[in-house]
Parts: sequence; C-alpha cells; structure tokens
Amino acid sequence: EIVMTQSPATLSVSPGERATLSCRASQSVVNNLAWYQQKPGQTPRLLIYGASTRATGIPARFSGSGSGTEFTLTISSLQSEDFAVYYCQQYNNWPSFGPGTKVDIK
Amino acid sequence: EVQLVESGGGLVQPGGSLKLSCAASGFIFSASDIHWVRQASGKGLEWVGRIGSKVDNYATAYAASMKGRFTISRDESRNTAYLEVSSLTIEDTALYYCTRHETYTAGYYFYYYMDVWGKGTTVTVSS
Repeated sequence: EIVMTQSPATLSVSPGERATLSCRASQSVVNNLAWYQQKPGQTPRLLIYGASTRATGIPARFSGSGSGTEFTLTISSLQSEDFAVYYCQQYNNWPSFGPGTKVDIK
Repeated sequence: EVQLVESGGGLVQPGGSLKLSCAASGFIFSASDIHWVRQASGKGLEWVGRIGSKVDNYATAYAASMKGRFTISRDESRNTAYLEVSSLTIEDTALYYCTRHETYTAGYYFYYYMDVWGKGTTVTVSS
C-alpha cells in the first residue's frame, strides 16, 4: 500500500500571496498524482491530474509539479475562494489520499 | 449534466448492514468505473473500493482495511452502483461518496483520477 503524506498540515496565507503545498508518496507513483480541493460542507473538486494537468475550468493560478515521490501544488495568488483543504491522491495501483493541507487566512 | 447521486444512508446499529446506492446520469455509465470514498466527520478522504465496467468484467477492488465487509456491485439497467457494508462498527460512521473514474492517456502513460463526485450519503453507526 502506498502511503501519502502532506505538509504542512495547516498553511496560513494572506490573500494575494503564494501558497506552496507538498505531497510525498512512500514509493514512486510516477506522475499518477491528483489534487483535490474541498471547502467546508462541499464535495471534493478535482484540480490537477497527471501531477501537472489542470482539470477543466480550474484557474491558471493553480499549478502542479513533481514526479516519482515528491509533488507540489502551487497557488500563485490566493483568492478568498481558495481557502480550503487540499488533498493529494496517488493512483499508481489503487488509489490512496494524503491527510490534507488546510489553507486558512493569515 | 453529469451527475452522481448517492442514497441509502441512515442510522444503523453496530453489527448491522446497509446498502448504499449511486445513481448516475449525464454520461455513459456502462463505460465508467465507479469508486466509493468515505470521509468521517472532520477527517480526510479514505478510498473504499472500485468496480470496473463490463470491459473489465465488472472487476472489484477494495482497500486492504475494507476487504471482507464491503461489497461493490452495479446494475447497468438502472445506471446505478451499490456499496453494501456489513458488520458495521462505529468506525464506519462517515459520509460516503461515489465518484467516477477517469483515465487520461499521454503517450505510454495512463493517468487515473476521480473527476465527478456525488454529494454523498451519511452513514451513522450508533446504538
């Protein structure tokens, strides 16, 4: 089983600032890595798949990078609607999710 | 509109069982794999399992911690997938989502992800 970890657990950022979220896999998942955003009381929303491809309708301020075991989600300039929990998910064999990073207002 | 709608959740006593439904619309259900993911209140996402399409002979797979008590099935005539859970414990209390599996092909590589999520159905296990 591939175990995913995310850091930090909580990231406090001011609107307009850049946010960098990290995700690590216990073994290589190549580029089979997706990112999801979940706002309180809402369903998770796909942001990124294939480590770096934005899903349909996702703003360009969201970008993903990395391969193998180390991945990053960057939000270039945080908007008020971006404060949420972000999960990474690997799907190299069967899927597993990271514990999430909460991005809150500084 | 592409949509997944879960139903069947409720209050169940420990040791009981439940069958959740996931009704699909707006896409070709028969061509899609369906996953179940659960989320306990205030906690993260946990993959439960998946059922393949006819092409995969409706193959099922489950998270290691879910094997034995969880059964995923589907009814093509109803465009519906199901999750049966037996011998429920308090730890099974969660919001259960169904999601659509999607595959993106880039050269020799296949990337898998979950692109459509239902709103979930809540299962509460309590005496």
